[in-house]
Amino acid sequence: EAGVAQSPRYKIIEKRQSVAFWCNPISGHATLYWYQQILGQGPKLLIQFQNNGVVDDSQLPKDRFSAERLKGVDSTLKIQPAKLEDSAVYLCASSLFGASQNTEAFFGQGTRLTVV
Amino acid sequence: DAKTTQPNSMESNEEEPVHLPCNHSTISGTDYIHWYRQLPSQGPEYVIHGLTSNVNNRMASLAIAEDRKSSTLILHRATLRDAAVYYCILRDRGQGAQKLVFGQGTRLTINP
Repeated sequence: EAGVAQSPRYKIIEKRQSVAFWCNPISGHATLYWYQQILGQGPKLLIQFQNNGVVDDSQLPKDRFSAERLKGVDSTLKIQPAKLEDSAVYLCASSLFGASQNTEAFFGQGTRLTVV
Repeated sequence: DAKTTQPNSMESNEEEPVHLPCNHSTISGTDYIHWYRQLPSQGPEYVIHGLTSNVNNRMASLAIAEDRKSSTLILHRATLRDAAVYYCILRDRGQGAQKLVFGQGTRLTINP
């Protein structure tokens, strides 16, 4: 089974520039998560999709971050404009949907963003 | 989200058992206990989960206290590849899509 695919793996941009990350979840997985992981910290949930609807985006800085999941499959996360504090690894994860808690999440390898 | 407390770091030796503790005194009756781990430069990966009874799988065992206010992840025979950050997470088994909220985790070092 193919895993969660993310691109690019690495990105370096200057502050105030914009950047976009792409995620292709495991086929058939209705739930998709985006996380931000700053060096030395645990992953922080930015946004969670159920199919193409947003379930939770309470931690997403909406003045500069946006995310979409068209047709309930692939997703993109955008930052515009970027700040120095946005330097982090951005992780995408997916899982099957269900009320049962037996649904493990599968993570991609992440995109390491450096803002200079 | 119900909170978990884990030690910041632990150290063990190769081929010895490792017991990683997690306190979750505010756990509700509908919360499952999940464990994930994150190897260096990798995304997190699922390890194990349970509700009330102890659980075993090919990676680890999960021992859950009778009052469910604490749990322990057990690696029976640690290898160098088990060096990672281990996260204990509570997930509500209520209906609807469930969040997966990470804390700081325990950084496990394995000595050769």
